[in-house]
Amino acid sequence: AQSVTQPDIHITVSEGASLELRCNYSYGATPYLFWYVQSPGQGLQLLLKYFSGDTLVQGIKGFEAEFKRSQSSFNLRKPSVHWSDAAEYFCAVGPSYSSGSARQLTFGSGTQLTVLP
Amino acid sequence: SQTIHQWPATLVQPVGSPLSLECTVEGTSNPNLYWYRQAAGRGLQLLFYSVGIGQISSEVPQNLSASRPQDRQFILSSKKLLLSDSGFYLCAWSALTANYGYTFGSGTRLTVV
Repeated sequence: AQSVTQPDIHITVSEGASLELRCNYSYGATPYLFWYVQSPGQGLQLLLKYFSGDTLVQGIKGFEAEFKRSQSSFNLRKPSVHWSDAAEYFCAVGPSYSSGSARQLTFGSGTQLTVLP
Repeated sequence: SQTIHQWPATLVQPVGSPLSLECTVEGTSNPNLYWYRQAAGRGLQLLFYSVGIGQISSEVPQNLSASRPQDRQFILSSKKLLLSDSGFYLCAWSALTANYGYTFGSGTRLTVV
């Protein structure tokens, strides 16, 4: 069964500092990987996704993530955090094949990001 | 472009009352549809998903049910709400194309009192 672990429940960084949010997955085949962001009281917004090819993927809002197959990781990074980045971040993994049924994503438990002025 | 609508945004209901949350998708056909619940301090819990009209799969047995009366409409219901049903409910859709992903609605904050 597929699973996603986000080991950091809460991270606090200062505005302008760099950020890395960790995500480890367990999956039997090549996965599709996603990062979502959720502002308070809002739905989830897709930041970026990895399907194949270049293991460093660029997303919206200046975020990037790197797929490392050997470490089963898909960590999210941003060089300089802005106060508006304060939110909850979810990593998700899904199958790269079509079984004809609904493709279900498995989400991590989320990492809450606080940005200090 | 595709859009997903979810309503109401907030809802306060007494214990034992019925529930109906609605989700509709525009700009696509035959989407996969999902209901998630997010309890405070906890991750996303998949409640139901649907691959077509009248086809509902339940992930967690509970006090809730789901229906898909039309291709792009997904409804979450309860006959009698419990306090434990409080939470943030999210609807999402995905396509069956290779570059799939989930698009989420804006959510419904349900408080059972």
